[in-house]
Amino acid sequence: DAGITQSPRHKVTETGTPVTLRCHQTENHRYMYWYRQDPGHGLRLIHYSYGVKDTDKGEVSDGYSVSRSKTEDFLLTLESATSSQTSVYFCAISGGGGSIRYEQYFGPGTRLTVT
Amino acid sequence: GENVGLHLPTLSVQEGDNSIINCAYSNSASDYFIWYKQESGKGPQFIIDIRSNMDKRQGQRVTVLLNKTVKHLSLQIAATQPGDSAVYFCAENGMGSGNKLVFGAGTILRVKS
Repeated sequence: DAGITQSPRHKVTETGTPVTLRCHQTENHRYMYWYRQDPGHGLRLIHYSYGVKDTDKGEVSDGYSVSRSKTEDFLLTLESATSSQTSVYFCAISGGGGSIRYEQYFGPGTRLTVT
Repeated sequence: GENVGLHLPTLSVQEGDNSIINCAYSNSASDYFIWYKQESGKGPQFIIDIRSNMDKRQGQRVTVLLNKTVKHLSLQIAATQPGDSAVYFCAENGMGSGNKLVFGAGTILRVKS
């Protein structure tokens, strides 16, 4: 998985609780992304980061926030989890030295269930 | 993941046959395309890419064809093996997308032994 880890790998939480997912990379790639994957929808971009403290919204950002205080870590927070946020979440990276700009490498995923 | 496959088109092939997976992309301004493979319970894995100044690119047992006239991308897998069973996604970079990719919904490939 190109030096990308996600934690936790599985989580079950209750509606209304805050949840933070962590993505950690050891590749020194500039860009980091958070996606969710649901049946019939493929991968949909939640938020992305183009550098430390530089983030922007994706197509399904409502209910999510992100932070990137250092190159290696990109955090995704659900401030108040809802059942519609039950999904598999993937982190991806791109833009490392010598790599093609658009080529993204994905982490192993986090399965989140909101009850 | 195991639930990704719901409602996706499925291609079933016999082991040893060639597979062709198709993708229609949406943005005529896209100039970079990637194919990913996703096995059950894992993250997507890069297979092969192609730029819009090419119409064909070959890798190990895989070939990607690009037809910009009809905005169509295909992935050909030679001598398909059971380990090729997975969901395959195409992705495009789009115009004005910054460093982002737009992913297709995917196709399930099932290899029969």
